[in-house]
Amino acid sequence: EPEVTQTPSHQVTQMGQEVILRCVPISNHLYFYWYRQILGQKVEFLVSFYNNEISEKSEIFDDQFSVERPDGSNFTLKIRSTKLEDSAMYFCASSEAMGGTNEKLFFGSGTQLSVL
Amino acid sequence: SQKIEQNSEALNIQEGKTATLTCNYTNYSPAYLQWYRQDPGRGPVFLLLIRENEKEKRKERLKVTFDTTLKQSLFHITASQPADSATYLCALDINSGYALNFGKGTSLLVTP
Repeated sequence: EPEVTQTPSHQVTQMGQEVILRCVPISNHLYFYWYRQILGQKVEFLVSFYNNEISEKSEIFDDQFSVERPDGSNFTLKIRSTKLEDSAMYFCASSEAMGGTNEKLFFGSGTQLSVL
Repeated sequence: SQKIEQNSEALNIQEGKTATLTCNYTNYSPAYLQWYRQDPGRGPVFLLLIRENEKEKRKERLKVTFDTTLKQSLFHITASQPADSATYLCALDINSGYALNFGKGTSLLVTP
């Protein structure tokens, strides 16, 4: 069964450093998402991406964050200057988004980001 | 503000019984509601989607109801098994788009 893959599974960085989290969505999907989950808290929406542009974003997704689809398969989340509070599990997701029953999201296994 | 509320207390039930989880929401007019399962350290996995014009949806041992007047969905697992132990998340569409907001989830523990 097709799946969303994320790399790396764990990322440790120093505060103030830039990190790039990588994702390969399911190949025929058109909508891409990033979510995060701080330990013990809910899964929080960050951003959605469609047709090479951001379609929705949350208040969390400030100027420190950016997303990119650099080629036909990868989808990345960049945090420019990491803060301690950015430590979380980051999930990438994708969906077909063609209506009908295709609104369901497929999630990757996540990247655990630890900012020291 | 928009809220999705799920029972924060863990639900412990005995194998073979029916588990019932509740999702209440405020300040949403959702076109549909989804339920996901999340295991520790893993991403959410889609289980069921129910639309605003559907009262009930079933899939194998799972049943979801959706009451847009009460602004509530109930999620049932019949003949529960220890393998059903996980956190179950309720999700609603954001601003009628395709992105979802998730509730905090309810942890279910099924004991033999």
